[in-house]
Amino acid sequence: NAGVTQTPKFQVLKTGQSMTLQCAQDMNHNSMYWYRQDPGMGLRLIYYSASEGTTDKGEVPNGYNVSRLNKREFSLRLESAAPSQTSVYFCASSEAGGGAPSTDTQYFGPGTRLTVL
Amino acid sequence: QKEVEQDPGPLSVPEGAIVSLNCTYSNSAFQYFMWYRQYSRKGPELLMYTYSSGNKEDGRFTAQVDKSSKYISLFIRDSQPSDSATYLCAMSEGGFKTIFGAGTRLFVKA
Repeated sequence: NAGVTQTPKFQVLKTGQSMTLQCAQDMNHNSMYWYRQDPGMGLRLIYYSASEGTTDKGEVPNGYNVSRLNKREFSLRLESAAPSQTSVYFCASSEAGGGAPSTDTQYFGPGTRLTVL
Repeated sequence: QKEVEQDPGPLSVPEGAIVSLNCTYSNSAFQYFMWYRQYSRKGPELLMYTYSSGNKEDGRFTAQVDKSSKYISLFIRDSQPSDSATYLCAMSEGGFKTIFGAGTRLFVKA
């Protein structure tokens, strides 16, 4: 049981390049999330998917797109990377989504460290 | 002003000390209050949560919520070097959106 996996672990891009961050979970969870973590800012929600087939914007969606490929996989795409998108990106999943933490704990992946030059 | 404020530290204590970590918030609609622990180069993991006001204890950890003051705390008793990590407070109105504090780095010296 791997939990939440993310690829790649590290990436360096030049301004204007595009890339997709991959996330997969093997816990049969319905909801999935993408966060970014910056020094002094904490984790900020970029997009989430309440269930397969749905996606919604979070706090900081500009410059990103997402795809909920199936129940297991949720990808984050940067179409034209900018230095302001240098960050650590975390994917998370939860069983039901939108419920109390006791029934809906978010499980996080190990993160992708992205640098945009 | 951020919705959730948390002192980034670092906080350095000797092994066995009692540690107090705190957050303040401005949104009175928050109902769920959580503490996550994040080891270096790892993803956060849920440590404790509290619904509405009150205390909750789990082993060496105690979480407190004071909604009247918009203030939450996490106490760690008999701190161990293995407790060295960044502690993130987090809050939610319910639903899918959780607001995280910036995290406090804790070092427990042996």
